[in-house]
Amino acid sequence: EDKVVQSPLSLVVHEGDTVTLNCSYEVTNFRSLLWYKQEKKAPTFLFMLTSSGIEKKSGRLSSILDKKELSSILNITATQTGDSAIYLCAGLSTGGFKTIFGAGTRLFVKA
Amino acid sequence: NAGVTQTPKFRILKIGQSMTLQCAQDMNHNYMYWYRQDPGMGLKLIYYSVGAGITDKGEVPNGYNVSRSTTEDFPLRLELAAPSQTSVYFCASSPSGSYNEQFFGPGTRLTVL
Repeated sequence: EDKVVQSPLSLVVHEGDTVTLNCSYEVTNFRSLLWYKQEKKAPTFLFMLTSSGIEKKSGRLSSILDKKELSSILNITATQTGDSAIYLCAGLSTGGFKTIFGAGTRLFVKA
Repeated sequence: NAGVTQTPKFRILKIGQSMTLQCAQDMNHNYMYWYRQDPGMGLKLIYYSVGAGITDKGEVPNGYNVSRSTTEDFPLRLELAAPSQTSVYFCASSPSGSYNEQFFGPGTRLTVL
């Protein structure tokens, strides 16, 4: 059965800390892995990863895929209270319609 | 560009009632999806569509039906609502499949009592 597992499930840090969120996947005919940030409503897109070992960066956030280990990490440096959210990762299979989401990591950044 | 829109935002149903959740996108995307998100959980795919007239089941299709008569609209029908269908429902769209992000609507919070 296809699955995506995220860890930790929740995390509390102080502003300025660096955090690493983990995502492991088992997705048949895997094609890409996506990271989303979910605040109060709809998930918003962060990164799409298709190639192993290539880091994607956006400001203080970065992510990398390891196809050998079937995993990905999302790093957030110098965290801010605005980073408090649920971070979701999802594995996409060929065609993109089979999308398996993990349960998410709930991050809380204290001022 | 409104993106993906969903109506209603909130709804309370009684057990056994039916309703349709509306979803529309104005980005000319071929792929559309319906997900449900239960508290503390990730998103589960209910149904998806790869184009007008083509729909298929996702992980959790029981108790739901969909149709896709146009590129823009992808309504989700709940027949005989049950308390287990209490959830937040998200509609999403993408230009195509594996190499495109999905754009999400704001969600519909449904409670079945």
